[in-house]
Amino acid sequence: DVKVTQSSRYLVKRTGEKVFLECVQDMDHENMFWYRQDPGLGLRLIYFSYDVKMKEKGDIPEGYSVSREKKERFSLILESASTNQTSMYLCASSFWGGYTFGSGTRLTVV
Amino acid sequence: QQPVQSPQAVILREGEDAVINCSSSKALYSVHWYRQKHGEAPVFLMILLKGGEQKGHEKISASFNEKKQQSSLYLTASQLSYSGTYFCGTAPQGGSEKLVFGKGTKLTVNP
Repeated sequence: DVKVTQSSRYLVKRTGEKVFLECVQDMDHENMFWYRQDPGLGLRLIYFSYDVKMKEKGDIPEGYSVSREKKERFSLILESASTNQTSMYLCASSFWGGYTFGSGTRLTVV
Repeated sequence: QQPVQSPQAVILREGEDAVINCSSSKALYSVHWYRQKHGEAPVFLMILLKGGEQKGHEKISASFNEKKQQSSLYLTASQLSYSGTYFCGTAPQGGSEKLVFGKGTKLTVNP
């Protein structure tokens, strides 16, 4: 089975901090994604990467950046965390088929 | 543009059937369906491709009407384990792997 591992299950950060969320997949998938999930809004795409060093903005990229230096790792960076970035963050990977999601990181910005 | 799912929520008794709909305003290449249980990650159920056949297992199946840009998920003889929130994810024509997800349909199956 494909595994997508997110480094932290819960995080609490202060406003203005730079935050790194890490995601690693073990099946050599080309595509990796970062979504945020908020009640009543569903999953919204932040960034998408289809290859190493290749990235594409999703629907809500403002305040975020990403890094993909190796195929298996896709990092989401909150440049200066704000309270409206408090959310559940889900990483996923795929190879032209269904997504496999990580278990999520619940980030609270105080 | 986010696809619209209906209904928003449904409550069933074990053994009853349910249909969840997903509708897009854009021409679609594929539709995915996922189920998420409380506190867990979404789990992939199935994918329907433009020009493809209806997919599914014996009790969970789905259809894709390309002309109407709609998909429906059919849950037959529901079990307690079917409870969760169901999301459709749509990919526009062009073959992009990026999915836009609906807001979800919460399904509760009671004994």
